[in-house]
Amino acid sequence: DSGVTQTPKHLITATGQRVTLRCSPRSGDLSVYWYQQSLDQGLQFLIQYYNGEERAKGNILERFSAQQFPDLHSELNLSSLELGDSALYFCASSRQGTGSGNTIYFGEGSWLTVV
Amino acid sequence: DQQVKQNSPSLSVQEGRISILNCDYTNSMFDYFLWYKKYPAEGPTFLISISSIKDKNEDGRFTVFLNKSAKHLSLHIVPSQPGDSAVYFCAASGDYGGSQGNLIFGKGTKLSVKP
Repeated sequence: DSGVTQTPKHLITATGQRVTLRCSPRSGDLSVYWYQQSLDQGLQFLIQYYNGEERAKGNILERFSAQQFPDLHSELNLSSLELGDSALYFCASSRQGTGSGNTIYFGEGSWLTVV
Repeated sequence: DQQVKQNSPSLSVQEGRISILNCDYTNSMFDYFLWYKKYPAEGPTFLISISSIKDKNEDGRFTVFLNKSAKHLSLHIVPSQPGDSAVYFCAASGDYGGSQGNLIFGKGTKLSVKP
């Protein structure tokens, strides 16, 4: 158990809908990351937050957004869903937000299926 | 452009023998490297890491070697056990503009350890 908690574990929704994935980081971690893993892709970095502020952006679509709240939990919002958005979405956290030696720890993932 | 490459999608090894997983990178600003292990439908689990100031780091059956001049690292598992069968991801990070401690992942190598 990494200490990173994600909900829901599984989600099935229709095209055009909007969903929210939730993540609680490990105790004491200030940085939260979101990654996407599609069927034939590796782990694609989406976005990073550090202590409530956006720190880095990766390959995140404009239909997707995220935020980190004062209690440090984070939510990833996916809207106008398309079939191609079906993937495993991972949240990860780390103690620091930058610098060498920054090990990140992953949650179990939220499996999204768009039908 | 892939900055972290794992050129072998799969590797099969006999139980008790050595497993060697390889990883190449292109960005000379990377200074911290990690290996993660991932079982199907689970989040990646941190295994071992190495800083660029070292060329070897060992933790039990797992050893990571770093060759900075070749921009190459490898993970050795000795002896290999059936429970090691999983997908192994190589990841890298560096303290350079825009990186923000984020990890860049390879596409993974699926290791199968046969009894």
